[in-house]
Amino acid sequence: DTAVSQTPKYLVTQMGNDKSIKCEQNLGHDTMYWYKQDSKKFLKIMFSYNNKELIINETVPNRFSPKSPDKAHLNLHINSLELGDSAVYFCASSQGRGRGFNSPLHFGNGTRLTVT
Amino acid sequence: LAKTTQPISMDSYEGQEVNITCSHNNIATNDYITWYQQFPSQGPRFIIQGYKTKVTNEVASLFIPADRKSSTLSLPRVSLSDTAVYYCLVGDLDNDMRFGAGTRLTVKP
Repeated sequence: DTAVSQTPKYLVTQMGNDKSIKCEQNLGHDTMYWYKQDSKKFLKIMFSYNNKELIINETVPNRFSPKSPDKAHLNLHINSLELGDSAVYFCASSQGRGRGFNSPLHFGNGTRLTVT
Repeated sequence: LAKTTQPISMDSYEGQEVNITCSHNNIATNDYITWYQQFPSQGPRFIIQGYKTKVTNEVASLFIPADRKSSTLSLPRVSLSDTAVYYCLVGDLDNDMRFGAGTRLTVKP
């Protein structure tokens, strides 16, 4: 069973479109995250939710909006996509309210977003 | 968050022991040292975490000197499948996991 699963794996879309990436974890973790890995391979944290409550919101354009219907799901919706949004987006989860150093992060395999 | 510095890349051969050193001169008293591994087209995977001295698990060892200003991830007898990017992260229990550029390890036959 996949612990942290993201869909879709690949997403190709045009500028200006709105798209969503879904993430689900079956580990029973309380905290979920979204990270962005750009072409230079730097992984940057975007958001984190603990029990459906937003606890980290980095300097990310308002076009990005996370949605957590329950603690096992954290979806990422992106409005008005731009070329610079092209990247790999990773979902992750961890136990408790810890932010990674308290309990290891478990990552999904990423969603490669290409905006043309 | 303590700033970390690691080599950009390293090469090794199958069967060798690989040591990747991370510098974190401004590490704070409450900071832990954590290493992740990332294979191509996959998300990072937790390898090991330590606070001081030595930690060992089934995958790797982590050596931390007394001053804690650096740490060394040791991978015994690497294989081709250990080719990956290795990230060193330093922070306390309330910090977010912020990844640097990592060390790209290439294991050759």
